[in-house]
Amino acid sequence: KNQVEQSPQSLIILEGKNCTLQCNYTVSPFSNLRWYKQDTGRGPVSLTIMTFSENTKSNGRYTATLDADTKQSSLHITASQLSDSASYICVVIRMDSSYKLIFGSGTRLLVRP
Amino acid sequence: DSGVTQTPKHLITATGQRVTLRCSPRSGDLSVYWYQQSLDQGLQFLIHYYNGEERAKGNILERFSAQQFPDLHSELNLSSLELGDSALYFCASSRPGQANTGELFFGEGSRLTVL
Repeated sequence: KNQVEQSPQSLIILEGKNCTLQCNYTVSPFSNLRWYKQDTGRGPVSLTIMTFSENTKSNGRYTATLDADTKQSSLHITASQLSDSASYICVVIRMDSSYKLIFGSGTRLLVRP
Repeated sequence: DSGVTQTPKHLITATGQRVTLRCSPRSGDLSVYWYQQSLDQGLQFLIHYYNGEERAKGNILERFSAQQFPDLHSELNLSSLELGDSALYFCASSRPGQANTGELFFGEGSRLTVL
């Protein structure tokens, strides 16, 4: 079954600290994996995309990794800021089928001063 | 600003009623997706339209229906509303030929409250 599981469900960290969010998937055939950030009550916004051949990609303080063999991805946030408080959603894109996007349930991050 | 416009932003109605949510995709985007997000839940895919044609259906209730018009805007109709239909409803659009990238541009959502 095509599934995307994220952990932890929620996380509280102090401002300035680092954190890592996990995404495990069983989606096949795999095309790409994308991380979205969703501020409370707002629409999700894409942070980064990981293709099959990419291991690591950075976008400012955000670094995403992908291990296609173990079907795992992570999103590392460095030097967290209060504005990082949001839900982070992992989306795996299937190669085939009419609807390709498999969403994880998200990790809710709260950054405290 | 994603370029995707949703109206209304907020809607309060009573059980048994019917509402219509509207979405205008980004200029040039042919695909429109609808998602439901209940409180503290993940995004649930409802339906996908491409250039006026239904392409895929998710967990959309029979009480819900959608369509995409020739000008590419889309409407989501929710009828016989129940308390459990209270949620944020998001519309998203994507560029032609970009389905494999999973890059969706989301609107700000329509918050529906059913009393």
